[in-house]
Amino acid sequence: RKEVEQDPGPFNVPEGATVAFNCTYSNSASQSFFWYRQDCRKEPKLLMSVYSSGNEDGRFTAQLNRASQYISLLIRDSKLSDSATYLCVVSNTGGFKTIFGAGTRLFVKA
Amino acid sequence: DAGVTQSPTHLIKTRGQQVTLRCSPKSGHDTVSWYQQALGQGPQFIFQYYEEEERQRGNFPDRFSGHQFPNYSSELNVNALLLGDSALYLCASSLAGRGEGTEAFFGQGTRLTVV
Repeated sequence: RKEVEQDPGPFNVPEGATVAFNCTYSNSASQSFFWYRQDCRKEPKLLMSVYSSGNEDGRFTAQLNRASQYISLLIRDSKLSDSATYLCVVSNTGGFKTIFGAGTRLFVKA
Repeated sequence: DAGVTQSPTHLIKTRGQQVTLRCSPKSGHDTVSWYQQALGQGPQFIFQYYEEEERQRGNFPDRFSGHQFPNYSSELNVNALLLGDSALYLCASSLAGRGEGTEAFFGQGTRLTVV
């Protein structure tokens, strides 16, 4: 079993749609969780951290369920510019050994 | 404030050769991690350096080695290159010792092609 697993995708959605990405992790000792965004042939960039209480940033909402070892990202009112690969990222305490999921590709179409 | 910088941006090497990639972390960061990203895949963790020592290592052979210098910059060395080593190599810097929310910043990567 992979340490971090994501929905395989790709997701093809129209503008304005709501889309949800799921991610599971295997190491129950994991402490830090993130969603990164990666555009084609570019480096990953932090989209948002995921805290135990859940967090929201504009159209983006991230949630963490430690009991189920599950992380989610919800994107509301999708924009063309949201088209990218979304990477689920898990770190153990102190940021040692950060593990990335394989990524989920999102295509938002007009 | 300079972000993470990597050099070179592109590199072509012949199978069997050796390569050295370089990374300067974001100002104020003391930890450097290296990743290999094959086309269509997520980044795979190679290893992490802190205080000039390898702190964690992923499932990569000994052909992959690294170094961290006193100024926190780092090198990734790959010996006996194989065609399968062709990938984007990403360097990420972070600040050690923080708890929840230790964010890593990435460089633009070095695209290595082995022919």
